[in-house]
Amino acid sequence: DGGITQSPKYLFRKEGQNVTLSCEQNLNHDAMYWYRQDPGQGLRLIYYSQIVNDFQKGDIAEGYSVSREKKESFPLTVTSAQKNPTAFYLCASRQGDIQYFGAGTRLSVL
Amino acid sequence: AQSVSQHNHHVILSEAASLELGCNYSYGGTVNLFWYVQYPGQHLQLLLKYFSGDPLVKGIKGFEAEFIKSKFSFNLRKPSVQWSDTAEYFCAVNSNTGNQFYFGTGTSLTVIP
Repeated sequence: DGGITQSPKYLFRKEGQNVTLSCEQNLNHDAMYWYRQDPGQGLRLIYYSQIVNDFQKGDIAEGYSVSREKKESFPLTVTSAQKNPTAFYLCASRQGDIQYFGAGTRLSVL
Repeated sequence: AQSVSQHNHHVILSEAASLELGCNYSYGGTVNLFWYVQYPGQHLQLLLKYFSGDPLVKGIKGFEAEFIKSKFSFNLRKPSVQWSDTAEYFCAVNSNTGNQFYFGTGTSLTVIP
């Protein structure tokens, strides 16, 4: 069953803590994306990667980091520098000009 | 940078009413346009897309959208909504030479039975 798998579904972060959100795809897509979704603000791009070992900052990259060591995986780390991390995070892969989305991870701060 | 504006933030309709959701974008070049839908508890999924050709495009579940280049618009329409259309709808754009997609703020549609 092909698709984008994000885990965990819910995540809680303590003050000063780094947390990592997982995104895995078995669609053999080269490009992958991370978005943040906040109420009334739509989807905003955090980072994207066109190929393995390469990634670019999106519009709101501050306080986040990514890696792309494997084609299938594009984890996102929310660092302690991100002062307002509470949001819904969506991962996507891309084939041609169409994006395919995961189910999302909801991150909350304790 | 490109941007996308969705004029309606919350729309409430009765079943069988007609729907039109506005979407305008800012970009001077050639663009690809999309409408995505997020049903409650489900993945964001593609509703329809426009790349080129006939400016009136049809998508799944009876939705259609019209690209009007002179107005930089890509409005979503459905002649008769159903309760199952209750969802959040996002307009998106990317340039046909670019890697980034730009999304609107979304429109929450509630259809009352």
